[in-house]
Amino acid sequence: QVRLVQSGAEVKKPGASVKVSCKASGYTFTSHAVHWVRQAPGQRLEWMGWINAANGNTKYSQKFQGRVTITRDTSASTTYMELSSLKSEDTTVYYCARLDGYFFDYWGQGTLVTVSS
Amino acid sequence: SYVLTQPPSVSVAPGQTTRITCAGVNIGRKSVQWYQQKPGQAPLLVVHDDSDRPSGIPERFSGSNSGNTATLTISRVEAGDEADYYCQVWDSYSDPVVFGGGTKLTVL
Repeated sequence: QVRLVQSGAEVKKPGASVKVSCKASGYTFTSHAVHWVRQAPGQRLEWMGWINAANGNTKYSQKFQGRVTITRDTSASTTYMELSSLKSEDTTVYYCARLDGYFFDYWGQGTLVTVSS
Repeated sequence: SYVLTQPPSVSVAPGQTTRITCAGVNIGRKSVQWYQQKPGQAPLLVVHDDSDRPSGIPERFSGSNSGNTATLTISRVEAGDEADYYCQVWDSYSDPVVFGGGTKLTVL
């Protein structure tokens, strides 16, 4: 069955970077784009960006442009989201999600990133 | 950027029908998805492409989309339906993926 398994919780200091991984299984990795979405406590889902798993092309939210980098390793069927210059407002849960057509049919379990001095 | 507006909360008694709206300019021209999210869990797709249900989602969940409003209808509501519900569309301008603010469904 399709699964997206994310890396574990992280604690970072302001100004640092964090890299979250999302390992896919149960399908052909290069057949589906992977998106990253985050959600602060009690807040709406917030789209961050996506990667074409086949060719590595990316597109990022204007809000995170310049701070976020999404990459993939096809040999490991894994997508990575790196967010730099972390601020306290970046303390939130980060999700990866597989795109099928216009919708996200499978999601990772979420990774909590805490930014604190 | 494109904006989707949902009511913050709705309440319904078990066994009744509830409708959650998602308003956006000419949203009827877009494909609308609905996600259910329970506390501490990742979102779960319940309706895609306005009115299609993924396998495993009960027929009690249905969707419609016209004009400036998309609607998620949940019939014969059960206690297990209590969750936050988010609508989502694709936009051709600015950020391509847009989520609504979410609606908290409370089952009385």
